[in-house]
Order: sequence, then structure tokens, then C-alpha cells
Amino acid sequence: DAGITQSPRHKVTETGTPVTLRCHQTENHRYMYWYRQDPGHGLRLIHYSYGVKDTDKGEVSDGYSVSRSKTEDFLLTLESATSSQTSVYFCAISDSGRVLGPQHFGDGTRLSIL
Amino acid sequence: KNEVEQSPQNLTAQEGEFITINCSYSVGISALHWLQQHPGGGIVSLFMLSSGKKKHGRLIATINIQEKHSSLHITASHPRDSAVYICAVSGWGGGADGLTFGKGTHLIIQP
Repeated sequence: DAGITQSPRHKVTETGTPVTLRCHQTENHRYMYWYRQDPGHGLRLIHYSYGVKDTDKGEVSDGYSVSRSKTEDFLLTLESATSSQTSVYFCAISDSGRVLGPQHFGDGTRLSIL
Repeated sequence: KNEVEQSPQNLTAQEGEFITINCSYSVGISALHWLQQHPGGGIVSLFMLSSGKKKHGRLIATINIQEKHSSLHITASHPRDSAVYICAVSGWGGGADGLTFGKGTHLIIQP
């Protein structure tokens, strides 16, 4: 299995608090992604990174920011959490090439905003 | 924006049956992915294909680029195949800008 670790695995917090989720990989893959999974919507892309300090927005980026200061770490931050951000968050990685390989997913973080 | 549709949304079958899950998309792609997610579990990549057919054990994936359609088949289904199967596509960037997903097919195989 690809070496991807998400932390924390579960978190409950209150509306208005900041939250940071971490994705750590040991595969030295260039591309990293944050998705959220919600009933009725499936998986949707929040932000992605194509290298250190290189990030871009996805389909549902409002209310989220990301940072990637090292190849192995991709952080997702909710500056002021809202109940609509209650979701399961998945990190994924992919190697580089003209046509990227399959994406490998972390085990997910279940986040509840009360 | 690519629209990815899967059918059926839910499928219950008996052990041993041949299973087919369908996926269609609206815009040309560089590759199509089939993923598996067990209840409460992580997501595993089963196939990535851009043409033709791939086989792994009892799983077979096919794609018809002209018709913008793919199928995932499971032969001799088993209760351990019970999971959500998700179709996803990579755009012309090769997937560098992420995947677009269908909403998944919830499969239950009864013994």
C-alpha cells in the first residue's frame, strides 16, 4: 500500500474554530489532493498541489486553504469551521508523468463541526 | 465540467451472479478510474484505463471512448465484493488537476 497517513482520523469541533488536517506521504509523489466525501455528492476536489509551494483550487475550495512546504506534507486548513464543512476528508497522491498513474488514497478524516 | 453518471445507484445480488456497473461521462477524458470503498473504509484504486479492457482476477473493466462509456464487471460474485464502486475520470491534464467522480454504486452480495 502507498504510504499515506492522514491525521487526525477523527475530530469534533465547534463552529468558528480553526481546524488543520494533515496528509503525510512517504512515496515522494509530486501530486497531492484533498477531497471531501458527502452523501448525495460523492467525492469532490477541494485543492490540489503539483509541487512544493504550488497549489491550486478545486471544485469546492471556498472556506479552505492549503499549504505544501515539503514534498511529503499537504495541509488543509479551515480558517473558521462551519457546519457545512462536516464531512469525510480524503487525501490522495499520484506520481508524475505524461499521463499520471492511479491515485492512492489515505484512510480519511471524519470531521464533525457542531 | 465533466458530468459522470453511474448506474445503478444500488444493486443487491446473490452470491455467484455476474455483476455489471455502468459509468458514462460527458466530456472527453485522458483516463477512467474504477475505485472500491468498503463500509467505513478507505478507497482503493481497482483500474485505470484509457482504452479497451483490463482484467484483474474476477474483475473486468472496459471502456468505449467513442460512446463515453465504461463498465465494471464482477464474475462469480462473493459477499466480500460488497462495497461502493466509484467511477472517476481524468481530464486532458492527465489527472494532474484531480479527478471528477460519479456518486458511486452500492453493491451488496448476499450469500
